[in-house]
Amino acid sequence: DIQMTQSPSAMSASVGDRVTVTCRASQDISHYLAWFQQKPGKVPKRLIYDASNLESGVPPRFSASGSGTEFTLTISSLQPEDFATYYCIQHNTFPRTFGQGTKLEMK
Amino acid sequence: EVQLVESGGGLVQPGGSLRLSCAASGFSLSDQHMDWVRQAPGKGLEWVGRTKNKANSYSTEYAASVRGRFTISREDSQNSLYLQMNSLKTEDTAVYYCASLIGDIWGPGTMVTVSS
Repeated sequence: DIQMTQSPSAMSASVGDRVTVTCRASQDISHYLAWFQQKPGKVPKRLIYDASNLESGVPPRFSASGSGTEFTLTISSLQPEDFATYYCIQHNTFPRTFGQGTKLEMK
Repeated sequence: EVQLVESGGGLVQPGGSLRLSCAASGFSLSDQHMDWVRQAPGKGLEWVGRTKNKANSYSTEYAASVRGRFTISREDSQNSLYLQMNSLKTEDTAVYYCASLIGDIWGPGTMVTVSS
């Protein structure tokens, strides 16, 4: 199975900060990666598909890049509603695998 | 409105069985690949399995942690998806989501607790 390793697992930041989350795959997954955001008590919401494509309606302060084994999600200027947990998931092969999550907390 | 709603969760003893259901509305399940995803209390997301769409003969894939114990099926006439869970273990305790990961459509989830 492909292992997805996210870093950091948690981080504290302030409104207006630039934040980057990294996801590493244990083998080449091309561009078959998505990023989800989950707020407490809510279902996940996809932000990014195919490594770098922003979902409709997602603010442009979110961006993502990468291919192969290394991927990043960047929030250019944190807003209060961005404090949440972020997950990557590879959809190159079965079984699909999520990263362990990155919890973004307010400093 | 596109919607998924799970049901069937509850408390079950280790070694027991449970069947979860997922009712779809606003779209036809037969056209979609459908997934089950779970989340243990306070933990991250774990993909459980997928049933592919009619065009792909409804073939299924599973995570290693549930393969041989869980079975995904669907009933297109009812526009419903099912997760049959056998030989349940305490580590199967989680909220179970029915989802279309491709379409980013999620149900609200149903809680399964495996405990004696």
